[in-house]
Parts: sequence; structure tokens; C-alpha cells
Amino acid sequence: QVQLVESGGGVVQPGRSLTLSCAASGFIFDDYAMHWVRQAPGKGLEWVAVIWYDGSNKYYADSVKGRFTISKDFAKNTLFLQMDSLRAEDTGVYYCARTETGYYLAPFDYWGQGTLVTVSS
Amino acid sequence: DIVMTQSPEYLALSLGERATINCKSSRSVLYSYNNKNYLAWYQQTPGQPPKLLISWASTRESGVPDRFSGGGSGTDFTLTISSLQAEDVAVYYCQQYYQTPCSFGQGTKLEIK
Repeated sequence: QVQLVESGGGVVQPGRSLTLSCAASGFIFDDYAMHWVRQAPGKGLEWVAVIWYDGSNKYYADSVKGRFTISKDFAKNTLFLQMDSLRAEDTGVYYCARTETGYYLAPFDYWGQGTLVTVSS
Repeated sequence: DIVMTQSPEYLALSLGERATINCKSSRSVLYSYNNKNYLAWYQQTPGQPPKLLISWASTRESGVPDRFSGGGSGTDFTLTISSLQAEDVAVYYCQQYYQTPCSFGQGTKLEIK
């Protein structure tokens, strides 16, 4: 069955970096676009970034553009989110999600359980 | 960017009642090429990730009870729960995936009265 397992969250000081991972299994990782979505404590969902099925294109929310980098490791079936220059407003639970089809503009049919990032001094 | 606006933000109903949640997009999410609305509904219960309920505005996902239905086209959409059950207590989000950023509505919290 499809599984997405995030890791790498934790407490980090403002201005520092953190890398999140999302280990994928139960499907052909190479065939699906993948997204990151975050949720600040007690708030709604915010889309963060997407990477095409083959890694050829990436798009970001304006709030993270230039600071975050999404990538796929096809050998390890793992999605990454490199987060630099972290700010307090980046605090929240980060979810990875798979699109229903290989295309990047499609519903998110599977989600991981999320990993909590806290940016605080 | 497309802005998604849900109403109401909070809804309290009795068991067995009909629940209707509205979602409006700031521009049409109907793709004329394939006549599909790029609109999804998700359910999130406390401590859990969102769960896809409805895709393409009206396609119920496998395993989702048939009391859930989605409707609408263009810029105006609805999620309807025909007969509210205790397990439907959750926050519901609409989302457009017509273009990036793939924006979500602010959420509707549904509770039992």
C-alpha cells in the first residue's frame, strides 16, 4: 500500500537551515509529482512546493521562494525539502503529498502523517 | 493567484441533518480543454493529515461514504453531507489545483450540536 513517511522536523533557530525527508513506498515514485503542504499551529493548510514526476520542474509559494528547495532522490524513493533562512512564520507541521496522477496539477490522494518544524530562538 | 473562500467557517448541526459547505474561487477553475473543474475537497480530523474526499468537483474517492457529495462548476462549489454522522466531525477544506500555487480555502469546522 502507498506510504509516505516524513522525518527531519525539530526545533531550529531563526536564520538556520533544516532538511525534511519524505520516504515513499508502495508505488512507482518516478511516476508521480509530489507536493509539500504545511499547517501552522491551529491554522489552515498552505501549499508550499511541487516537483514534477521526473524532477524537471519545480514551483514554490511566494512565501518560501528563494529559501526552500524541493527535490527527489529517485534511487532512494525519497522527497526532500531543504529549508534555509528559516523564519518564525515557517513554524508548523509539514506534510508531503502525492498527486493522484503523474501530472503536477491533480488532487492530492495520499498524505504523510507530517513532521513538526518549530522555528524559535 | 487564485483565492479560495469557504463559508461558513463554523457549522454546528444535529445528527442526521444535512450539512452544506460552500467554496468560491476568485477565478474559474474549469479547464475548457477537458471540461473538468480542478477542485477538491478534503477532510481533516484532529491530529490527522487531510484526507481526499472529492476530486474534480464531484468525483467521490473510493471508500468515501455516499452521504458525501460535491457539486458546482466554474467558481462556485458545494460539499454536501446528506445525513450528518458523529464521525463527520472535522475541518473541511476545498482546494484548487488549476494552477500553482494550489490554494486551499480557510476551512470549515463542522461540529455536532
